[in-house]
Amino acid sequence: KNEVEQSPQNLTAQEGEFITINCSYSVGISALHWLQQHPGGGIVSLFMLSSGKKKHGRLIATINIQEKHSSLHITASHPRDSAVYICAVIRDDMRFGAGTRLTVKP
Amino acid sequence: DSGVTQTPKHLITATGQRVTLRCSPRSGDLSVYWYQQSLDQGLQFLIQYYNGEERAKGNILERFSAQQFPDLHSELNLSSLELGDSALYFCASSVDGGWNTEAFFGQGTRLTVV
Repeated sequence: KNEVEQSPQNLTAQEGEFITINCSYSVGISALHWLQQHPGGGIVSLFMLSSGKKKHGRLIATINIQEKHSSLHITASHPRDSAVYICAVIRDDMRFGAGTRLTVKP
Repeated sequence: DSGVTQTPKHLITATGQRVTLRCSPRSGDLSVYWYQQSLDQGLQFLIQYYNGEERAKGNILERFSAQQFPDLHSELNLSSLELGDSALYFCASSVDGGWNTEAFFGQGTRLTVV
């Protein structure tokens, strides 16, 4: 079993929908990152969380350390949000989930 | 543009060969991280350097090595290449050596071993 599990693996949404991507992990961590990988391959760091909730524009990330769970929410989704979203946890290094491929249709 | 520059963008080479991937971090960043992204294993952390010194080691094969130079650019050397080494190799940089700091990723080098 992977230390970092993401769900769903693939997600298709209509423009404007509210989207949730989940990340569960089985080890103690000091922080969690959400990354976005564009279709061209480039990776952008979206959030770094160690507790609570962070918001940036239409993106919201939450983490519950006790439950070993984090969620990434996208409000009012747009086709430009189509990407792979990757959760990564921090222990002594960075360990990655397999990613969630999001497609937002106009 | 993240400010992290990786060269080359694409590389095609034969099995058994050796290649060098280069990474220039953002101005002011002291730490460089290398990652491998393959179809079967996803993203994996390889190695981290901070101000010229190795800071952390992940799933880096013995055939692979890296270094960070005084001007803070870094090189990842891959030798005795195998078909399974075909992957995207990313470099990221951050201002300090901590994992709880935002890192900025380069666009990656796509390595194809034939």
